[in-house]
Amino acid sequence: DAGVIQSPRHEVTEMGQEVTLRCKPISGHDYLFWYRQTMMRGLELLIYFNNNVPIDDSGMPEDRFSAKMPNASFSTLKIQPSEPRDSAVYFCASMGQSSNQPQHFGDGTRLSIL
Amino acid sequence: AQSVTQLGSHVSVSEGALVLLRCNYSSSVPPYLFWYVQYPNQGLQLLLKYTTGATLVKGINGFEAEFKKSETSFHLTKPSAHMSDAAEYFCAVSEGDYKLSFGAGTTVTVRA
Repeated sequence: DAGVIQSPRHEVTEMGQEVTLRCKPISGHDYLFWYRQTMMRGLELLIYFNNNVPIDDSGMPEDRFSAKMPNASFSTLKIQPSEPRDSAVYFCASMGQSSNQPQHFGDGTRLSIL
Repeated sequence: AQSVTQLGSHVSVSEGALVLLRCNYSSSVPPYLFWYVQYPNQGLQLLLKYTTGATLVKGINGFEAEFKKSETSFHLTKPSAHMSDAAEYFCAVSEGDYKLSFGAGTTVTVRA
């Protein structure tokens, strides 16, 4: 089975530009999570969805960040405008219906804002 | 809210030696506990999980962990380290609300 697929794997852009990260969850999974990983703060949950509906976005750092899930097989995380402090690895993960199931992670997008 | 403390940000072991990674958690309800491994430039891969039942949990690649409620611990062990075990390891806890809290991670180096 295909795992969680993220694109692009690497993104380098200048500050002020819009950045869009993409994620395709595992088919049949009801939950989708966006995380950010940095050396300073470790792994942080940004937002998660259940059946395409955002449930908790308390981890989104500020209004420059937004996430959508228009259907069960696609989600985006957008940063506009981007800043150098947004540089990090962004992971998408998906999970089945039960809360005792593990989350399955994509390989991440390494974002560098110059 | 739940939280995880991983003791030791870096562990170095000889090939063939015991690997022991420590994890302590706090949770207001019976927790679900997970260990993940991350290889360079990859996502997190599940090693093992504890939800209910047997407190000694066996995972992939010869790893196992024991849930000790009295000590609020979930330490990860492997009897004999292999070079391929060099990676970063994360302990995580959930209170059943679908949200995971991760520890800071422990980087394992294996010496030949």
